[in-house]
Amino acid sequence: EDQVTQSPEALRLQEGESSSLNCSYTVSGLRGLFWYRQDPGKGPEFLFTLYSAGEEKEKERLKATLTKKESFLHITAPKPEDSATYLCAVQAPLSSNTGKLIFGQGTTLQVKP
Amino acid sequence: SAVISQKPSRDICQRGTSLTIQCQVDSQVTMMFWYRQQPGQSLTLIATANQGSEATYESGFVIDKFPISRPNLTFSTLTVSNMSPEDSSIYLCSVEATAGTQYFGPGTRLLVL
Repeated sequence: EDQVTQSPEALRLQEGESSSLNCSYTVSGLRGLFWYRQDPGKGPEFLFTLYSAGEEKEKERLKATLTKKESFLHITAPKPEDSATYLCAVQAPLSSNTGKLIFGQGTTLQVKP
Repeated sequence: SAVISQKPSRDICQRGTSLTIQCQVDSQVTMMFWYRQQPGQSLTLIATANQGSEATYESGFVIDKFPISRPNLTFSTLTVSNMSPEDSSIYLCSVEATAGTQYFGPGTRLLVL
């Protein structure tokens, strides 16, 4: 069964304290792994897509990496505005329901000034 | 990316009634999806809205409860029928853009009393 597990569930950081969020997945034939940011009361905001092991992508203070079993979202010198829930999702292979995203439970990040 | 709007943004409904949620995208897209996010939970796919044919529902979701229309490539509706308090959730539509990436609308917050 395709599955996504994120850890930790919640993370509290001081401003400037770097850390990483983990996303472990099991899926037959990964089509893509996606990271989203979700603020309270809003829809998920797209951050990154990763397709193959070894791939890395960066955006401001965020860097996403991918291996064959997991992905990391590294946050460097976070600011209070980085506080949000970060969601990881994998896409099912073309042989099944094309386009379906399977989401993890998310990591809620709080960055204190 | 795509700009997606949803109506209504929120609603409070009585049990036994139905609510239709609209999703409008600013460009033509092939794939549109409807997700549910229950309180404190992550996103679960309800169905894929297919233009010109019936929607494809995920296990646990049925057409009688969640009828979907997709009259053209920029618009879709999701109806939540015969509502109960257990239907209180955020309902999100998404569209698939290039390379499998999905972009989400702002969501519709539904509270059923």
